[in-house]
Amino acid sequence: DGGITQSPKYLFRKEGQNVTLSCEQNLNHDAMYWYRQDPGQGLRLIYYSQIVNDFQKGDIAEGYSVSREKKESFPLTVTSAQKNPTAFYLCASGRRTGVINEQYFGPGTRLTVT
Amino acid sequence: GNSVTQMEGPVTLSEEAFLTINCTYTATGYPSLFWYVQYPGEGLQLLLKATKADDKGSNKGFEATYRKETTSFHLEKGSVQVSDSAVYFCALTETPTAAGNKLTFGGGTRVLVKP
Repeated sequence: DGGITQSPKYLFRKEGQNVTLSCEQNLNHDAMYWYRQDPGQGLRLIYYSQIVNDFQKGDIAEGYSVSREKKESFPLTVTSAQKNPTAFYLCASGRRTGVINEQYFGPGTRLTVT
Repeated sequence: GNSVTQMEGPVTLSEEAFLTINCTYTATGYPSLFWYVQYPGEGLQLLLKATKADDKGSNKGFEATYRKETTSFHLEKGSVQVSDSAVYFCALTETPTAAGNKLTFGGGTRVLVKP
């Protein structure tokens, strides 16, 4: 089946450690996105990528890094510089710029840092 | 910049009641509008969309009409079920720009339907 997978569903880390969240899609979409969701709030854009080997900062990129070496994969690293990393992280994919289209979301990863 | 404002929840209803969730937006361009639904512990699913003024998006008994004159995209359902309990997000994306199809989300409205 086509879709977006995120792993793991729950992730626990100690403060000061970097952690990488996985996102894979087999929808053949060019664009991929990372969002952060905090309790009772909407989604905020962290990073997005319109094409392989290219990505742009979103609204809250500080303390995060990404790579886009393959079309299917867009991993997000939460670094120790991120002051409040505990959140629900959602990955999405969509068709490339120039086409108005919806984004498709993965099931999310809940990260807890203590 | 762009922004989306939704009514705050939670909204608590009885089964078979009528549901309305208000959504208004501010955009510099001519946006496309979306409603997404998030069930507990899951990611977001697209519920419906509209890409131009007076378009009506509909799905699973939900409807929303793109009203340019009032910059609104209110979500409605005539008879809710317990299974409609979820968080609903209104969102917009502008017409194609170099920045890509980024979504701007409202804060979400939690809906709880009681039997």
